[in-house]
Amino acid sequence: LAKTTQPISMDSYEGQEVNITCSHNNIATNDYITWYQQFPSQGPRFIIQGYKTKVTNEVASLFIPADRKSSTLSLPRVSLSDTAVYYCLVQGNNQGGKLIFGQGTELSVKP
Amino acid sequence: EAGVAQSPRYKIIEKRQSVAFWCNPISGHATLYWYQQILGQGPKLLIQFQNNGVVDDSQLPKDRFSAERLKGVDSTLKIQPAKLEDSAVYLCASSLSSGRVTGELFFGEGSRLTVL
Repeated sequence: LAKTTQPISMDSYEGQEVNITCSHNNIATNDYITWYQQFPSQGPRFIIQGYKTKVTNEVASLFIPADRKSSTLSLPRVSLSDTAVYYCLVQGNNQGGKLIFGQGTELSVKP
Repeated sequence: EAGVAQSPRYKIIEKRQSVAFWCNPISGHATLYWYQQILGQGPKLLIQFQNNGVVDDSQLPKDRFSAERLKGVDSTLKIQPAKLEDSAVYLCASSLSSGRVTGELFFGEGSRLTVL
């Protein structure tokens, strides 16, 4: 199973761009990279998913280099409400479609 | 569209007592998951159902935990007898997947269990 490694915590200020990098050195050919967000007292929520290059939606961008051994979640102009835990996951056949969570990155946005 | 419903939201019991959690997934979702999230950790998968069949229960402590999904819709997770280390949030999630291994999971708000 592909294991992910990401920083335990990050601090930022309102209005800044935040980039959270995740490494997944043994990602398989058919695996996708998926990011979830979790607020206190809530279940995780899907943010974005990608296979290679760049994916963008209304919430975030996901950058994946050609070797796919890492990925970067980019949150543009964060606000206080973006304070949450962000999980990077590898999702695919090797995991049977299941989400296997690591510890995540606790992002704290300050005024 | 209604989300994943879970109850109760909070439960406090003493060790060796029993407890049950209920989950109603999003309508039409074939796959249902139960996760355990201990404070400060990421969610850990306990069991995965595909319709009313178990796909994976390798991480379920079967001596005290049980789960069922009768009729392939609602699910119940039971703990008997509870231990102090079972204090956690129990999250239910569902997905359409049914063959697509990269599908989005939709989580409920969770049931917080405190064992005294």
